[in-house]
This record gives sequence, structure tokens and C-alpha cells, in this order.
Amino acid sequence: EVQLLESGGGLVQPGGSLRLSCAASGFTFSNYDMSWVRQGPEKGLEWVSGISGSGGSTYYADSVKGRFTISRDNSKNTLYLQMNSLKAEDTAVYYCAKRQPYSSGYNFDYWGQGTLVSVSS
Amino acid sequence: EIVMTQSPATLSVSPGERATLSCRASQSVSSDLAWYQQKPGQAPRLLIYGASTRATGIPARFSGSVSGTEFTLTISSLQSEDFAVYYCQQYNNWPPITFGQGTRLEIK
Repeated sequence: EVQLLESGGGLVQPGGSLRLSCAASGFTFSNYDMSWVRQGPEKGLEWVSGISGSGGSTYYADSVKGRFTISRDNSKNTLYLQMNSLKAEDTAVYYCAKRQPYSSGYNFDYWGQGTLVSVSS
Repeated sequence: EIVMTQSPATLSVSPGERATLSCRASQSVSSDLAWYQQKPGQAPRLLIYGASTRATGIPARFSGSVSGTEFTLTISSLQSEDFAVYYCQQYNNWPPITFGQGTRLEIK
């Protein structure tokens, strides 16, 4: 059974940093691209960042480029999101999501339960 | 960036009736379109990808179609568990991957 378990969320002041983790199990982690998707309070879904299975390619939304860094440790089956220079508008539930096999396109067949990040003074 | 526009924002339908949700892309995305269902307090669930292919375990009452840049999600006979928020997502031209703003399907 595929499981994605996020952790690391919390309350942080504007300008602060936070690192999110997503522990994966139930599939060959290194074979799949992964992404972070966030959802602000009472808002829709926003793709934040993605990373290839090997970790060699990374992608970012313009809203986080230069502030967030996605990475993965395939030996630990874990995905990370380092978030620096946090702003109030980064407040959201952050989901990690597994991409479907390449033949099915860049959509997401499994999601974690989410971790809440609140940026406030 | 490709903008995805969903309509209506809220749709009120009675159980047992058909629901039709729309999603329009600002430019061609071919058939690279997915639909998700999200219930309160839960993560999104993949329903449809490739515009019309049901994901694993998704009931046959869910179907997707495309005409040009206009995509449709149809739920043929609404069950109580289908009342939720639905999002479309394009993955033809990325980054960024983009989602629509969502359609809330509520009980009439």
C-alpha cells in the first residue's frame, strides 16, 4: 500500500525557515517524480515544486523560486522541501504527491495527508 | 503559464441526477488534463487523467471528455459521497503545472 506521510509543518515568523519532509513507502521511491502542492486557507490547489526520480531535475513555481528548495534522499525514501524567507502568503497545507508513471503524464495518483505551515508574527 | 478556468464555481444538484462540470484551458493542452475530487479535511483524489481515462478504483459513473480546450467531467447519477470540490489540472505545458480554481458540488 502506497503511503506518503508529511511532517515538519508549524508556526513560523515572516522571514523564517522551515523544512518539510515526506516519508514514502509501498512503492519504489526512486522510480517516480514527486511534487509538493499547497492549499491556502479556503483556497484551491497550487503546485509548488517537483523533482525527478533521480533528483537530478527540479522545478519550481515562480512564487517560490529562489526561496524554496526541493530535494530527495532515495536511500531514505524521503522527499524534502526547504522553505526560506517565508511570507504570510506561504501559509497553507502542504501536500506531497506522487506522480503517475511517465506514460500517464504529470498527474498525481497518491497524496499525503498534508502538513500545515502558518507564517505569522 | 496556462490558466485553467472552471465553471460554475458552485453547482447544486439532487442525488441521483447528472452533474456536468467544466474546465477551460487558456491554450491547447491536448488531452493532458486530470480531474481530482477533494472532500473537507482530505487530500485530493485522482479521478480522471488523459482527459477521459478513469484512475484505478474510480466508479464508472465518473467520465471525462474534451472538445478543443473545453473539458467536461460528468457524474452520471450522483451519490451522497460525490458531493465535494472538484479540480482540473493541466500537465501539457509545465512548469508550472496548473490547477483550476475548483467547482463545489453541493446537494440541492
